Amino acid sequence: GQQLNQSPQSMFIQEGEDVSMNCTSSSIFNTWLWYKQDPGEGPVLLIALYKAGELTSNGRLTAQFGITRKDSFLNISASIPSDVGIYFCAGPEAGSYQLTFGKGTKLSVIP
Amino acid sequence: NAGVTQTPKFQVLKTGQSMTLQCAQDMNHEYMSWYRQDPGMGLRLIHYSVGAGITDQGEVPNGYNVSRSTTEDFPLRLLSAAPSQTSVYFCASSYGLTDSPLHFGNGTRLTVT
Repeated sequence: GQQLNQSPQSMFIQEGEDVSMNCTSSSIFNTWLWYKQDPGEGPVLLIALYKAGELTSNGRLTAQFGITRKDSFLNISASIPSDVGIYFCAGPEAGSYQLTFGKGTKLSVIP
Repeated sequence: NAGVTQTPKFQVLKTGQSMTLQCAQDMNHEYMSWYRQDPGMGLRLIHYSVGAGITDQGEVPNGYNVSRSTTEDFPLRLLSAAPSQTSVYFCASSYGLTDSPLHFGNGTRLTVT
């Protein structure tokens, strides 16, 4: 199946700093999804992207669908302690019902 | 709404034992799936179903069986547990795969000794 390369693997940042993470694929995606997992819970959808070049915001979160359709970026502005968790990118393999997840970016926020 | 309910929350098995992880959703979702989450590996798809009576294999299906006799339930069966199946298991459901969010349960933490 497809593989999604997500980076960085982990981040330690000061409260108030901006955060940027990205996801790349060797093949083209038609949809990019970003999920967040809080400790001890299942992932929750943050942002969905459906068109190349699309830039979508959800509060302090902004995500972009790369022009090449092989990458996506997630930015978090002015981080706060509740941003702590694991962020996953995900996308469906073309023509299938299989949703592939990246390995995640673990975010720690230092107050 | 309960959403996606997984039981049990925790389970310890001995090698060779069998068990069923339960998953139920009350949102009338057609699509349901099972993932396992291991440190550094992200979420890997085990099996999925696009409707009652229809199931298919994901990335890591070996050692697991599923069935979908109703829209609401999607149990995952471990036939003969192995230490390599120690993991956190998540069930998820949605109306579709990309045009609606995947709703996850809170997971089952399984340890096989």
